[in-house]
Amino acid sequence: KNEVEQSPQNLTAQEGEFITINCSYSVGISALHWLQQHPGGGIVSLFMLSSGKKKHGRLIATINIQEKHSSLHITASHPRDSAVYICAVRNSGGSNYKLTFGKGTLLTVNP
Amino acid sequence: GAGVSQTPSNKVTEKGKYVELRCDPISGHTALYWYRQSLGQGPEFLIYFQGTGAADDSGLPNDRFFAVRPEGSVSTLKIQRTERGDSAVYLCASSRDPAEEQYFGPGTRLTVT
Repeated sequence: KNEVEQSPQNLTAQEGEFITINCSYSVGISALHWLQQHPGGGIVSLFMLSSGKKKHGRLIATINIQEKHSSLHITASHPRDSAVYICAVRNSGGSNYKLTFGKGTLLTVNP
Repeated sequence: GAGVSQTPSNKVTEKGKYVELRCDPISGHTALYWYRQSLGQGPEFLIYFQGTGAADDSGLPNDRFFAVRPEGSVSTLKIQRTERGDSAVYLCASSRDPAEEQYFGPGTRLTVT
């Protein structure tokens, strides 16, 4: 079993829909990252959070440390949101530089 | 300012050849990371540099893989006797401090034929 599990693996939505992508992890962490990767492109960091909730524009990320679960929400989705969204956890303790990644969720938003 | 850059963006090589992949981190970032991303998978950690030294190379898959960062800035990932299974996107990231956010480069797509 992977240390970081994302669901769903693939998600297709219509423009304007509210999107939720989930991430569960099994290890102790110091922080969790949500990243965006466009086809053929590099990875862009969206959020780094260790508790509670963060919001940036139409994106909202939440984390529940006790339940070892995080969600990424996209409000009023748009075709330009189409990308792979990756959850990554940062180890706790001495190796807190190390990120362990989920496999990603491929989001397609149709006009 | 300039982000993390990687060269080449694409590399096609024959099985058994030697390849070098280069990473230019953000200026002033002391921490540098290499990751490998296979098709349909998330990135996997390869090696972490703090300054010039490899602080953690536990992710390197075998002794055909080696990385250097001689002046604490640019890093080169070296792969000897390439195999088809080495085909992947190799990502580099840097951060000001190992506990801080990592900034990723665009990656090098390596194809071993």
